[in-house]
Amino acid sequence: EAQVTQNPRYLITVTGKKLTVTCSQNMNHEYMSWYRQDPGLGLRQIYYSMNVEVTDKGDVPEGYKVSRKEKRNFPLILESPSPNQTSLYFCASGPSIAGGPDTQYFGPGTRLTVL
Amino acid sequence: AQKVTQAQTEISVVEKEDVTLDCVYETRDTTYYLFWYKQPPSGELVFLIRRNSFDEQNEISGRYSWNFQKSTSSFNFTITASQVVDSAVYFCALSEAEYGGSQGNLIFGKGTKLSVKP
Repeated sequence: EAQVTQNPRYLITVTGKKLTVTCSQNMNHEYMSWYRQDPGLGLRQIYYSMNVEVTDKGDVPEGYKVSRKEKRNFPLILESPSPNQTSLYFCASGPSIAGGPDTQYFGPGTRLTVL
Repeated sequence: AQKVTQAQTEISVVEKEDVTLDCVYETRDTTYYLFWYKQPPSGELVFLIRRNSFDEQNEISGRYSWNFQKSTSSFNFTITASQVVDSAVYFCALSEAEYGGSQGNLIFGKGTKLSVKP
């Protein structure tokens, strides 16, 4: 089944404890991205990757890191999480056309709470 | 600047009613893509449709239909004969295809929460 998977789906952690949210897709998509969803603010892009070893900042990159060593994986790293990073996180992937992705397909989401 | 406006925050209908969700967008690009996504209570984001700026043909898929009008910068979504399973938050989104800025960044509207009552 073609899908984007994220782990963990739910995570409660404490301020300052490094964490990684994994994202994997089995559709051979070049483009991958991370979004966060917050009440009243909607969905905003954190980072994106046009292809392996190519990553760039989205609208709200502060406090996050990403890497793209393999085509299928795009982990989101929070080196020192803070309570304002409590959010619902979505990973997405899509086939690339000139200038960007075609359609982005989303993973199931990761609900993160930072105490 | 790019922007997507979904003026209807919440809509409540009774099953079998038709309902239209409005979406108005702003962009300076001549090449762009418009999307609708569904977020059911379970929380995932489900892709419904993608339209590019050069294709103004309306689209129908079962009970769903979309009306794209460049003249009014609108991309409205109609559900015919609504069902309880249609209850969800629906997001309209815009992606600009021309270079500059974050490529592929989906600019989402704030969403419309649709409640379909039996």
